[in-house]
Amino acid sequence: RKEVEQDPGPFNVPEGATVAFNCTYSNSASQSFFWYRQDCRKEPKLLMSVYSSGNEDGRFTAQLNRASQYISLLIRDSKLSDSATYLCVAHNFGNEKLTFGTGTRLTIIP
Amino acid sequence: DVKVTQSSRYLVKRTGEKVFLECVQDMDHENMFWYRQDPGLGLRLIYFSYDVKMKEKGDIPEGYSVSREKKERFSLILESASTNQTSMYLCAHTPSRDRGRNEKLFFGSGTQLSVL
Repeated sequence: RKEVEQDPGPFNVPEGATVAFNCTYSNSASQSFFWYRQDCRKEPKLLMSVYSSGNEDGRFTAQLNRASQYISLLIRDSKLSDSATYLCVAHNFGNEKLTFGTGTRLTIIP
Repeated sequence: DVKVTQSSRYLVKRTGEKVFLECVQDMDHENMFWYRQDPGLGLRLIYFSYDVKMKEKGDIPEGYSVSREKKERFSLILESASTNQTSMYLCAHTPSRDRGRNEKLFFGSGTQLSVL
């Protein structure tokens, strides 16, 4: 079983809709989590950090459920520019190691 | 602005060649990482370093070595390149946790390496 698992998609969503992704992690030692966004042929860039139960930034909301070991990303009022691959990352403080999921591909359709 | 420079954006090498991938950061960060990214496999950690002269194996170190002679520079070395090392290579860095809770990874723009 992969340490961080994501549905690869693709998710094809009409502009303006709300879309949500889940990410599950297996290592209970993971203590903080991140969502990165990666555009085609570009490097990943940090979208949101999730340290406790959740975090909200404009149209984006990330939530953490430690009991069930998953984090989610919700995008409201989706824009064409939200089309990208979204990477879920778990951080283990003990060894400073960050483990990436394989990413969820999102395409926003006009 | 944060600057993470990787030596080449695209690189083509032949099987058996020795390959050096360089990464330089200007943030005075302790931790530096080398990942490779392949379709369907995501980012996988090759090696990382907590400080100068220090290195730790990641999840897939076989066929690679690293060098960290200066704090700002972390080099990835393919001693004898093979076709299965064709991949996108990404360098990243972050400050030590002792300096505060900032695990944000800063990535370089990546090097697409093709081994023929």
